[in-house]
Amino acid sequence: DAKTTQPNSMESNEEEPVHLPCNHSTISGTDYIHWYRQLPSQGPEYVIHGLTSNVNNRMASLAIAEDRKSSTLILHRATLRDAAVYYCILRDGAPYNTDKLIFGTGTRLQVFP
Amino acid sequence: GAVVSQHPSRVICKSGTSVKIECRSLDFQATTMFWYRQFPKKSLMLMATSNEGSKATYEQGVEKDKFLINHASLTLSTLTVTSAHPEDSSFYICSARSSGRNQPQHFGDGTRLSIL
Repeated sequence: DAKTTQPNSMESNEEEPVHLPCNHSTISGTDYIHWYRQLPSQGPEYVIHGLTSNVNNRMASLAIAEDRKSSTLILHRATLRDAAVYYCILRDGAPYNTDKLIFGTGTRLQVFP
Repeated sequence: GAVVSQHPSRVICKSGTSVKIECRSLDFQATTMFWYRQFPKKSLMLMATSNEGSKATYEQGVEKDKFLINHASLTLSTLTVTSAHPEDSSFYICSARSSGRNQPQHFGDGTRLSIL
């Protein structure tokens, strides 16, 4: 499975935008970029995913580099409830793939009031 | 949004006990379910993938006789930790995906298992 690299931790102040980077230099043409987050003592929560084009939803935006070797999850206005571990995961979209998620270490986001 | 319910949320039991954890998809049919284990301050480790009506596929290093998985219907998968020992204490999390590739996985809230 192609690997991702994320900073161990990041900090933000409430109401400010947050840009969470992810490097995936060995991404293949069929890999989708998925983001999940995990709040303390809970299971992960789906955030967003994309293939080539930038994506927006009610939770966040995903900016994907033109060469697809990196991406950035954007939280437009951080709240205290956004404090979590954010995981960037490559998921092979090829038909023969088992479609499983392999979690890395993620980025622990702290949000300060 | 899609909801996955996991039960129980917490179990404390004696060494040697077998423990069953249920994972239900409440508002969608889950053709595939996944089981993960997470140790404190560590990331999730995939244990196995189960498809409805067929045998589970276990990740390398996971003992299939120790961690029994049953996925008998499109809305229910169970994980049984047989003859649990203190080293099996962990946070167990399930996820479910509806049919259709590249659909997100929806996760339960986890089961914290403590073996005394």
